Amino acid sequence: EPEVTQTPSHQVTQMGQEVILRCVPISNHLYFYWYRQILGQKVEFLVSFYNNEISEKSEIFDDQFSVERPDGSNFTLKIRSTKLEDSAMYFCASSSSGLAGGYTFGSGTRLTVV
Amino acid sequence: QQQVKQSPQSLIVQKGGISIINCAYENTAFDYFPWYQQFPGKGPALLIAIRPDVSEKKEGRFTISFNKSAKQFSLHIMDSQPGDSATYFCAASRAAGNKLTFGGGTRVLVKP
Repeated sequence: EPEVTQTPSHQVTQMGQEVILRCVPISNHLYFYWYRQILGQKVEFLVSFYNNEISEKSEIFDDQFSVERPDGSNFTLKIRSTKLEDSAMYFCASSSSGLAGGYTFGSGTRLTVV
Repeated sequence: QQQVKQSPQSLIVQKGGISIINCAYENTAFDYFPWYQQFPGKGPALLIAIRPDVSEKKEGRFTISFNKSAKQFSLHIMDSQPGDSATYFCAASRAAGNKLTFGGGTRVLVKP
């Protein structure tokens, strides 16, 4: 079964440092998403991306965040200057149809900011 | 108005019992209601979903009940098994949109 692959599985970074979280979506999918889950809390939408541009973003997705599809396979989330409160699990998802039902989530990257 | 409220936060059920998780939403524009199952260290995986034109949907041991007038929906896990022990999230979306709004999650523990 096709999978969404995320790397690294765990990243520890110093406060103020830049991090890049990487995702390889399912190959024929066209819609890409990032969600985050702070430990013990609900999964929250960050951003959706289609046709090389952001289609929707949440209030969490401020100027410190950016997304990019640098080549035909990777989809990245960059946090420019990490804060302690950015510590969370970050999930990438992709969809072939853009409809909510077509999501496949990756296993996530646990980001720890110290 | 975008919230989805989920209860209970945790649930312990004996093997063979019924697990019931409830969700309530506010935004009447939502018209797609999935349930996700999440195991530790994994991403959410779609379990079952319903649209508001039906009041119930069943897939194996999993059933969604939907009450449009009350803006509530629930997940029933029949004949619960230890392998069902996981965190369950309800979610809601506008079918025409693509953003999921998740509930707070329910940690289910099925005791053998």
